[in-house]
Amino acid sequence: NSKVIQTPRYLVKGQGQKAKMRCIPEKGHPVVFWYQQNKNNEFKFLINFQNQEVLQQIDMTEKRFSAECPSNSPCSLEIQSSEAGDSALYLCASSLWGQSNERLFFGHGTKLSVL
Amino acid sequence: AQSVTQPDARVTVSEGASLQLRCKYSYSGTPYLFWYVQYPRQGLQLLLKYYSGDPVVQGVNGFEAEFIKSNSSFHLRKASVHWSDSAVYFCAVSVKGNYKYVFGAGTRLKVIA
Repeated sequence: NSKVIQTPRYLVKGQGQKAKMRCIPEKGHPVVFWYQQNKNNEFKFLINFQNQEVLQQIDMTEKRFSAECPSNSPCSLEIQSSEAGDSALYLCASSLWGQSNERLFFGHGTKLSVL
Repeated sequence: AQSVTQPDARVTVSEGASLQLRCKYSYSGTPYLFWYVQYPRQGLQLLLKYYSGDPVVQGVNGFEAEFIKSNSSFHLRKASVHWSDSAVYFCAVSVKGNYKYVFGAGTRLKVIA
């Protein structure tokens, strides 16, 4: 069973409010991914890190979304000004080596509802 | 660009029947292929993966998948489903050197008595 811990499980925000969610990767995993899963189960890659450094991110992430993985602290994903279209399940995943043939370990996700 | 297509959004099968969930992919390099399952209120769990060697890979709980390069497919199979297999199944692909795993839209499996 995966030991990727995501908090909170549920997050409700009004439009324009900040939304912040956290992720503790599996112990010893330096690579962390964030995905957005919408109500149609479609996945959108947001950003990934190796240790504290960003490996890749999409344009959307560069605008209203910010993320970090500080050493000795949980990783976080924050939406500066939430919009209705941000309502989704945000999944954090980690991996050990950051190799493309490597499995991902997922948390349960944070379900964000923007009212 | 990589993409994954799961053409069946929903599949219903009877308990004990065989199962095939379809997955087709497109890629621009050496593909690595995965099947994950998502049970209600749980995170995704790996069923199996393929990155080289025998094109038929065995996974957990009796699942297997076959990599057919000529058809760009990686269909998931199970000989006899159980009611507990009801879940959403995702096919995913990654490409060597690129860490953006791409997921299909999933197939919701319902197993009925």
